[in-house]
Amino acid sequence: ETGVTQSPTHLIKTRGQQVTLRCSSQSGHNTVSWYQQALGQGPQFIFQYYREEENGRGNFPPRFSGLQFPNYSSELNVNALELDDSALYLCASSLDPGSNNSPLHFGNGTRLTVT
Amino acid sequence: KQEVTQIPAALSVPEGENLVLNCSFTDSAIYNLQWFRQDPGKGLTSLLLIQSSQREQTSGRLNASLDKSSGRSTLYIAASQPGDSATYLCAVQDRKLIWGLGTSLAVNP
Repeated sequence: ETGVTQSPTHLIKTRGQQVTLRCSSQSGHNTVSWYQQALGQGPQFIFQYYREEENGRGNFPPRFSGLQFPNYSSELNVNALELDDSALYLCASSLDPGSNNSPLHFGNGTRLTVT
Repeated sequence: KQEVTQIPAALSVPEGENLVLNCSFTDSAIYNLQWFRQDPGKGLTSLLLIQSSQREQTSGRLNASLDKSSGRSTLYIAASQPGDSATYLCAVQDRKLIWGLGTSLAVNP
């Protein structure tokens, strides 16, 4: 089975620009979650998609938006980039958001730098 | 509001030592608790998942315990090796994961 893959691995953007990050979920998984991890911090939950619908959202402004496609891959879009958006963005897939035995499988992340 | 705390923030030990990493959480209404490993600049690798009804899980040299009533979990690493050097994060799950800040472990040869 293929694991979670994220692209690109690194990205440099200028303040005010827009960015799209991509994630392919692990085979058989229908749930994708996105997390932001600033340097030296634990990951912060952005949102989760389950079967193409948003299934929960963390404390992030509306300029953070997402999509999930019929094949369960996902995109994270960030508009009007700010310097504080510089972070490692992690995507995780799982089988069922409501299960207590459905571990999350993470990709290696996209390192976004905003200058 | 769920809060997760990990102690210590950093740990340096000689190779071969047994060690314990601690995680505490404030709300016992969780689906499960997971321990992850993160190497510098990399993503997260799931190590162990303990369901809310379980008390411990083991994988190789790793053993994780869960005491929901006291809001605590420990990760025990036996016979530590330099390759164990990484940041270890615990996270509790309801519909999403809520994370601690991690323990940065260095195992010295």
